[in-house]
This record gives sequence, structure tokens and C-alpha cells, in this order.
Amino acid sequence: QQQVKQSPQSLIVQKGGISIINCAYENTAFDYFPWYQQFPGKGPALLIAIRPDVSEKKEGRFTISFNKSAKQFSLHIMDSQPGDSATYFCAASIEAAGNKLTFGGGTRVLVKP
Amino acid sequence: GAVVSQHPSRVICKSGTSVKIECRSLDFQATTMFWYRQFPKKSLMLMATSNEGSKATYEQGVEKDKFLINHASLTLSTLTVTSAHPEDSSFYICSAHPSGSWSTDTQYFGPGTRLTVL
Repeated sequence: QQQVKQSPQSLIVQKGGISIINCAYENTAFDYFPWYQQFPGKGPALLIAIRPDVSEKKEGRFTISFNKSAKQFSLHIMDSQPGDSATYFCAASIEAAGNKLTFGGGTRVLVKP
Repeated sequence: GAVVSQHPSRVICKSGTSVKIECRSLDFQATTMFWYRQFPKKSLMLMATSNEGSKATYEQGVEKDKFLINHASLTLSTLTVTSAHPEDSSFYICSAHPSGSWSTDTQYFGPGTRLTVL
């Protein structure tokens, strides 16, 4: 069964600190790994995404690190701000299988001022 | 760009009635749209894949006769919850995968529809 395991379930970080969320997957056929941010009562919004031929991707304060051999990838939020308080989901998909997303369980991040 | 809308944003209905939720891609075409269900503080659960001009593909355990999906155009998919019951109360979210010249790997999500069945 295709699975993406996400940890931790929740995270509290001080303003200005680094939030780190980890995901592990089983299916080596996955070829696209996006991260989504979701605020309460809203739909998920794409933050950043990576493909397995790249080990790291940075966009602003958000960085994805990808370890293909370990089948793990992580999201780092640098200089965390109270506005970053949200639930973050990692996901994975296979282009040849119609891009169906398999989501991790989510991480609730609270950034304290 | 890449905006997906859903209508309505909230709906309250009586048990036994049917509710239709619309999902529209506003600035791109989408051959494929997806419907998810999300319970409070939980992850998104894929219900079905909606393909323009053909039948939807339902995930295991999802009743296709209860959750009717129609993808009549490249910018519109609808989910109808038939004979709704309180256990159908949930947050329903659609996503759209750009196709044709807009094709990317990315799915863009709608804002969600909160369904409450009394």
C-alpha cells in the first residue's frame, strides 16, 4: 500500500526559529513531492515541490531536502513567523499514474511570538 | 493564476436530501479533477478522480452511487452527495490538475465546502 508517513504531528516553535517537518515514503515509483500549507477552514495551498533528481530546493524561507536513498524528504521553514502557523502536509505522486496525490498525516505548526 | 473555486463554501441540509458541490478551474483547463474529504484535524482522503468526458474513478470504500461525480467540461466538476446523512458531514475539497498547454505536475486546490447534515 502506498504510504507517506509524516512527523511530528505537531510542532511549537518560537518566532525566528526553524520549523522542521519530516516525511518518509515507501513507493520508489513516486516522482513528485509537493508540500502544502493549510489554514483552518481553507483548502491546501502549494508551498514548494521537488523531484527526486534534486537533493534540495529553496524558495524564500522554505527549503525541501530530499534523500532518495533513504526515501525521506523534509521541509524546513526558516525564520518562522506567527503567520506560518498552519497545518503542513507532505505528499507524493506518480506522473504516469495520473498524478494522484498520497498525503502524509499533517503537522500542525504553531509559531509563538 | 491557477485558481480553483468551489461553490457553495458552506451548506446545511436536512437528512435525506441531496447536495451538489461545484468545482471550477477559473484560469486553466483541467482534464482531471480530484475530490477529497477531510475530517477535523485529519489529512485529506482521496474520494475519486474525475475525468472530463468519462466516468469517475472511485477509491476503494467510496460509494459511487452516494457520491455522484460529473465532469462535464474542462473547467467544471460537480460532486453530488445523494440522500445525505449526518455521517456525511465533512469538509469536501476539490483539486484540479492543469492539462494541455498548462500541464504541470501540480494540483491546485479549491477552498473547500463545509457540509453539515442535520
